[in-house]
Amino acid sequence: DSGVTQTPKHLITATGQRVTLRCSPRSGDLSVYWYQQSLDQGLQFLIQYYNGEERAKGNILERFSAQQFPDLHSELNLSSLELGDSALYFCASSVDPLGEARAFFGQGTRLTVV
Amino acid sequence: GENVEQHPSTLSVQEGDSAVIKCTYSDSASNYFPWYKQELGKRPQLIIDIRSNVGEKKDQRIAVTLNKTAKHFSLHITETQPEDSAVYFCAASIKAAGNKLTFGGGTRVLVKP
Repeated sequence: DSGVTQTPKHLITATGQRVTLRCSPRSGDLSVYWYQQSLDQGLQFLIQYYNGEERAKGNILERFSAQQFPDLHSELNLSSLELGDSALYFCASSVDPLGEARAFFGQGTRLTVV
Repeated sequence: GENVEQHPSTLSVQEGDSAVIKCTYSDSASNYFPWYKQELGKRPQLIIDIRSNVGEKKDQRIAVTLNKTAKHFSLHITETQPEDSAVYFCAASIKAAGNKLTFGGGTRVLVKP
């Protein structure tokens, strides 16, 4: 157990819908990263938050957005879902993006868009 | 931005043999290089990492080497066992850029008993 918690584990929804994925970082970690992993693909960086502020943005679609709350949990919002959005979505956390670099991953949310 | 390439994409070895996976990175400012192991449908798990001020690191049967001049790093697994079968990802990050990890494409390792 990495200490990073993601909910839900599985999500099935229809095209055009909107979903919210939730991530609770390890205790003491201030930084949260979101990654997308499509079937048999690598890990694509979406976005990073540090202590409530957006820190870096990767290949995140405009239909996707994220935020980090004062209690440091983060949510990834996916809207106007398309079949191609089906993937595993992972979050990872680390202590401090400018200090300790070790990142630990949650168990992921498997999103299926039908 | 940073680009990480990983080879080979698949690797089949006999149990007990060694496995080597190689990665190259593009940004010379990269200073942290972790390796993750991912079993099917599971989370990536950090198995070993190395920082740019170190050339080699070993932890039991796994070792990582880093060549900063050539901008490449490698994972070595000795005495492979069937439970080593998984997808392995290398990654690189830059401290000044918030430490976001840029991953290689992954190597699917199959250890045959």
